[in-house]
Amino acid sequence: SAVISQKPSRDICQRGTSLTIQCQVDSQVTMMFWYRQQPGQSLTLIATANQGSEATYESGFVIDKFPISRPNLTFSTLTVSNMSPEDSSIYLCSVVLTGALFFGSGTQLSVL
Amino acid sequence: GENVEQHPSTLSVQEGDSAVIKCTYSDSASNYFPWYKQELGKRPQLIIDIRSNVGEKKDQRIAVTLNKTAKHFSLHITETQPEDSAVYFCAASKGGAQKLVFGQGTRLTINP
Repeated sequence: SAVISQKPSRDICQRGTSLTIQCQVDSQVTMMFWYRQQPGQSLTLIATANQGSEATYESGFVIDKFPISRPNLTFSTLTVSNMSPEDSSIYLCSVVLTGALFFGSGTQLSVL
Repeated sequence: GENVEQHPSTLSVQEGDSAVIKCTYSDSASNYFPWYKQELGKRPQLIIDIRSNVGEKKDQRIAVTLNKTAKHFSLHITETQPEDSAVYFCAASKGGAQKLVFGQGTRLTINP
C-alpha cells in the first residue's frame, strides 16, 4: 500500500477561521477522496478530487464550505472554511490502490 | 442512495471466543464490501473485503460472508485476542472501492 500523509495531524482553531489540510501520496493516483469522521461516529464521504477538474461533492457538502484543490496526481488540499464547533471532526484523505481504499493519517480538528 | 446498517453497536466477548458483526445494505447494485478496523487515535485499516461474485472469503482468523439475496454480509473473527479490540466498520459500494458508504461501527472489546 502507498504512504498517505496528511498535515497538520491536529489543530485547534477559532470559529470563523479557515484551515487547509494537505494530503500527499507517494504514488500517482487518479482520484483522491476526502472523508469526515465526527466524534464517535462513522465515516462520511465529503468529495472526490480529480486532477484537472472540479471536485465532486456529496449531498450535504458544498464547495464554498469545503473547497478542494488537486494540482497534481500526488497531492490534494481540503479547506474547512468559516469554521464552527460542528466542524470538529477527523478529516481523512484516501486513495484507491489495487482495488481497495486506503486512508491517510488523518487530521483531527477542534473548533472552539 | 445506499444505506448500510451495522449491528451490534457494541460487542464484548471473552478472549478465545468468536465475534460476529453483521451489516445490511439497501442497494442491490452494490458489489464491493470491505471491513475496516480502527484502533483508538488511528486511521481505519482495511482488514478484509469481498466482492459480489464471491460468497465467502477467509484470511487466517478473519472471514467475511455475503448473502446477496438477503443483502447482508458479516464479519467473523475466531479465536479472539486482546489486540482485536477496536471499532470495526463495514462498508458497501457499487463502484468498487470508490464512494464507500460506511456502517455506524461496532466497538469490539475482548475480555482477557
